[in-house]
Amino acid sequence: SQTIHQWPATLVQPVGSPLSLECTVEGTSNPNLYWYRQAAGRGLQLLFYSVGIGQISSEVPQNLSASRPQDRQFILSSKKLLLSDSGFYLCACPEWGQGILSGANVLTFGAGSRLTVL
Amino acid sequence: AQSVAQPEDQVNVAEGNPLTVKCTYSVSGNPYLFWYVQYPNRGLQFLLKYITGDNLVKGSYGFEAEFNKSQTSFHLKKPSALVSDSALYFCAVRSLNTGGFKTIFGAGTRLFVKA
Repeated sequence: SQTIHQWPATLVQPVGSPLSLECTVEGTSNPNLYWYRQAAGRGLQLLFYSVGIGQISSEVPQNLSASRPQDRQFILSSKKLLLSDSGFYLCACPEWGQGILSGANVLTFGAGSRLTVL
Repeated sequence: AQSVAQPEDQVNVAEGNPLTVKCTYSVSGNPYLFWYVQYPNRGLQFLLKYITGDNLVKGSYGFEAEFNKSQTSFHLKKPSALVSDSALYFCAVRSLNTGGFKTIFGAGTRLFVKA
């Protein structure tokens, strides 16, 4: 099974500063990758997903962007952070080995990156 | 568009009593349904899923869920709650009609089990 690494685990940034959160995946190749944000310990909002290198789909218009420079690397960025960007950011990847149908595959999550914008 | 509703922000139950966490969904085509659990400051962990077949699905830690197509529901249940079950629970849905790429989560239900 795969492992997802996220860093940094915790980040405190001033408004207007840049952001870079990194996600890397071990134990799989050519995975779909996802960025979710969880605000105030509640629901998960899908921000971006990627089906391959350089392929990014954005789910909601926002102050953030994503990039996938390598097969198992997914980066979340911002040029200028807003207060509303605060939250818990989770990277996820499907466990392909659990089923033939891609839709049935369970998501594996990283431990998350907690961002506080002050 | 896919959507998931968890109508209860919080569920309180006494240890040893049965628990139910509710979930309803909206999706075009056949749904794949999931339950995940989150402990404080952690990522989500998979509990169980429904793909097809038997409407009653059994998962980790004694949890089960019942798929009801007519009511578009997928409620999570456990016959006897433990204090250690206290956590945030998420229902999620995916459909191949949308390419099978996106999993949409509900807002979450916080479960408190009192000793």
